[in-house]
Amino acid sequence: QKEVEQNSGPLSVPEGAIASLNCTYSDRGSQSFFWYRQYSGKSPELIMSIYSNGDKEDGRFTAQLNKASQYVSLLIRDSQPSDSATYLCAVSGYSTLTFGKGTMLLVSP
Amino acid sequence: GAGVSQSPSNKVTEKGKDVELRCDPISGHTALYWYRQRLGQGLEFLIYFQGNSAPDKSGLPSDRFSAERTGESVSTLTIQRTQQEDSAVYLCASSLASAILLRAFFGQGTRLTVV
Repeated sequence: QKEVEQNSGPLSVPEGAIASLNCTYSDRGSQSFFWYRQYSGKSPELIMSIYSNGDKEDGRFTAQLNKASQYVSLLIRDSQPSDSATYLCAVSGYSTLTFGKGTMLLVSP
Repeated sequence: GAGVSQSPSNKVTEKGKDVELRCDPISGHTALYWYRQRLGQGLEFLIYFQGNSAPDKSGLPSDRFSAERTGESVSTLTIQRTQQEDSAVYLCASSLASAILLRAFFGQGTRLTVV
């Protein structure tokens, strides 16, 4: 059974701070890793993807992958109230995208 | 189309009735996924189609659930003899080839309420 674990939160940070979201996965054969953002009542939207060990930066977002530790994280710099949402970690294997249950992020003004 | 399209957006049905949910993927996307999301919960994998390969049905919760896809086009998810626990948002996603390397795009979902 492939598992993706996330802290459900909520993670509360003040506006302008760095939000750090973490995810661990069980399938060592996983090859691709994604972060989706889901606003309440909306469908998930992809914000970051990462395939190799290290960091990947896109604007205020940085994804970090450590395959040896089976750990992937998302850093959001200069957090804004509009970043308040649930962040879903997804891990891809042979055929399925397995999602974590998500971490709720609350950014207070 | 421009994005993944799902219909209906909302469906209220009586317990015991059958329902059919439709997903129209992005043109050219060979991979199609169905997920279920109960209120306040994460995404639960249901089924995966990839081109003309046999679908991965390992996530279907019971034999009341079935799904079809003709080629690389529209998919329908059918729930027979609906139960109250089937109430959820059903999300469809599609991607090029497979999600191993490429991103999956979601439709807006069908909110199913069984009364």
